[in-house]
Amino acid sequence: EPEVTQTPSHQVTQMGQEVILRCVPISNHLYFYWYRQILGQKVEFLVSFYNNEISEKSEIFDDQFSVERPDGSNFTLKIRSTKLEDSAMYFCASSIQGARSNQPQHFGDGTRLSIL
Amino acid sequence: AQSVTQPDIHITVSEGASLELRCNYSYGATPYLFWYVQSPGQGLQLLLKYFSGDTLVQGIKGFEAEFKRSQSSFNLRKPSVHWSDAAEYFCAVEGDTDKLIFGTGTRLQVFP
Repeated sequence: EPEVTQTPSHQVTQMGQEVILRCVPISNHLYFYWYRQILGQKVEFLVSFYNNEISEKSEIFDDQFSVERPDGSNFTLKIRSTKLEDSAMYFCASSIQGARSNQPQHFGDGTRLSIL
Repeated sequence: AQSVTQPDIHITVSEGASLELRCNYSYGATPYLFWYVQSPGQGLQLLLKYFSGDTLVQGIKGFEAEFKRSQSSFNLRKPSVHWSDAAEYFCAVEGDTDKLIFGTGTRLQVFP
């Protein structure tokens, strides 16, 4: 069964540094998402992306965050200047169709980001 | 605003016992509802989903869930729990847009 793959599985970065988290969505999917889960808390929506532009973003997704689909297969999340509170598990998800489409989102195994 | 409540933070059951995990949602129209499972250090795996139709939905690993509009609930059940079911379970709702709103999760512990 096709999977969403995320790299790296664990990223350790100094505060203030830039970090890029990478995702390869399922190949025929068109809708892409990032979520995050701070340790011990619930999974929170960050951003959705379709047709090379952001569809929706949460209040968490401020100017320090950006997303990109640089080629036909990768979907990246960049944090420009990391803060301690950015430490979390970041999940990428993809879906073949968008809202109210009867198609679920499929999640990757996540990237654990640790900011020192 | 859409929201999901999972009242039970932690549940412990014996292997072979039945299981019910509670989920209540808030959404004005017919919600799209999901249960995901997260094993330690792993990602989110879709157990089952409800979009419309039959209110009792079957999922993977022997799980089922029942949508009850009158109670705004979507409880997850399994008749006989296995030790491998120990994990964190998340209920989620999709509302007007395609972002998922998750509950806080229920951690399931299974004793032999």
